Amino acid sequence: GENVEQHPSTLSVQEGDSAVIKCTYSDSASNYFPWYKQELGKRPQLIIDIRSNVGEKKDQRIAVTLNKTAKHFSLHITETQPEDSAVYFCAASTGNTPLVFGKGTRLSVIA
Amino acid sequence: GAVVSQHPSWVICKSGTSVKIECRSLDFQATTMFWYRQFPKQSLMLMATSNEGSKATYEQGVEKDKFLINHASLTLSTLTVTSAHPEDSSFYICSAKQGASSQPQHFGDGTRLSIL
Repeated sequence: GENVEQHPSTLSVQEGDSAVIKCTYSDSASNYFPWYKQELGKRPQLIIDIRSNVGEKKDQRIAVTLNKTAKHFSLHITETQPEDSAVYFCAASTGNTPLVFGKGTRLSVIA
Repeated sequence: GAVVSQHPSWVICKSGTSVKIECRSLDFQATTMFWYRQFPKQSLMLMATSNEGSKATYEQGVEKDKFLINHASLTLSTLTVTSAHPEDSSFYICSAKQGASSQPQHFGDGTRLSIL
């Protein structure tokens, strides 16, 4: 089955700096890669996703890149703000299978 | 759009009690619903997948007789934790997906279950 590795587990950045979180997956059949943001005690919220037919997707300060050959994908947050502080999860799926999540990255943006 | 409602949000009960958690898709028909469990500071671990009108598929290590899942309609799935014990205390989250292709999973608010 699918295995998703996520790094780093914790990340601290100064406000205004960029943050990058990386994930690798094992199943070459996976074709859907969402990123979720989870604040303490709340539901995971989808912030961006990418499908395997594109290599990059951007939404304002958030971007995701996908390298299918290397089986890794990354989340990039630019101009970080304190409200970006949360736990971020990457996930992978073939589309017909449930999402398999990475272990999460606790991002702290220091004002 | 794509709102998933989960109820209750918080349950505290005595050991041995059975607890039912409801998950509803409010504005779409959910062909598939998923139940996850999340322990503090850990990731979401899939417990089971349910498709409307059929038996749930449980992940390895999840006791199907302890965690009863019913997906009776395209908008409602329930998880019943039978004879709950303190080790079952966790954050349970459902999610729902419309269709079978690469569509996003939309999550409910979660249920924090505390067994005394």
